[in-house]
Amino acid sequence: GAGVSQSPSNKVTEKGKDVELRCDPISGHTALYWYRQSLGQGLEFLIYFQGNSAPDKSGLPSDRFSAERTGGSVSTLTIQRTQQEDSAVYLCASSRTGGETQYFGPGTRLLVL
Amino acid sequence: GNSVTQMEGPVTLSEEAFLTINCTYTATGYPSLFWYVQYPGEGLQLLLKATKADDKGSNKGFEATYRKETTSFHLEKGSVQVSDSAVYFCALRGGTGGYNKLIFGAGTRLAVHP
Repeated sequence: GAGVSQSPSNKVTEKGKDVELRCDPISGHTALYWYRQSLGQGLEFLIYFQGNSAPDKSGLPSDRFSAERTGGSVSTLTIQRTQQEDSAVYLCASSRTGGETQYFGPGTRLLVL
Repeated sequence: GNSVTQMEGPVTLSEEAFLTINCTYTATGYPSLFWYVQYPGEGLQLLLKATKADDKGSNKGFEATYRKETTSFHLEKGSVQVSDSAVYFCALRGGTGGYNKLIFGAGTRLAVHP
């Protein structure tokens, strides 16, 4: 079916506000990943879901970042009390199982003013 | 830990020139290696991959060979086109860095002009 979709495509927020980013994986893909692409840090892994559980959260940069996945499908990445250094493109990817080829969404561009 | 190092860009070439983008990696175990491409205004797309030593990945005229002895996965194309202008990312997965997450290089911007 359709590819990985993400919303919103762009988000501008004020420092200190909370934001939610959504990812809709390819139908049937059980594995879901979040990455962050920023000028200073390149492409960094954030978190991996297998089904609704997250066996690898090692890339989340602070406790302001959290993510959940429900129904083995849609995932939400939440950033609380946003800071300017959170400005980046947040990418979601999915695969049929963990370890298979990952297919990426178009990303959400976040700007924290 | 595992890491990927790519040649710095930008790389600027004329159409029909030969392209090499160097990629080396550091990993224990036996990682899989990937090249992803990001065209202007688009998301990351898998270009090619290789899962074991001496494997050659190929797609759209691009090739890369998994060289364990030199820990390299250089991307090559014999004759580039303007439409190949994009940012290219080398990545690895597996070894002791974790089977699931991709570790990316910094990316190399390629600009091809007529």
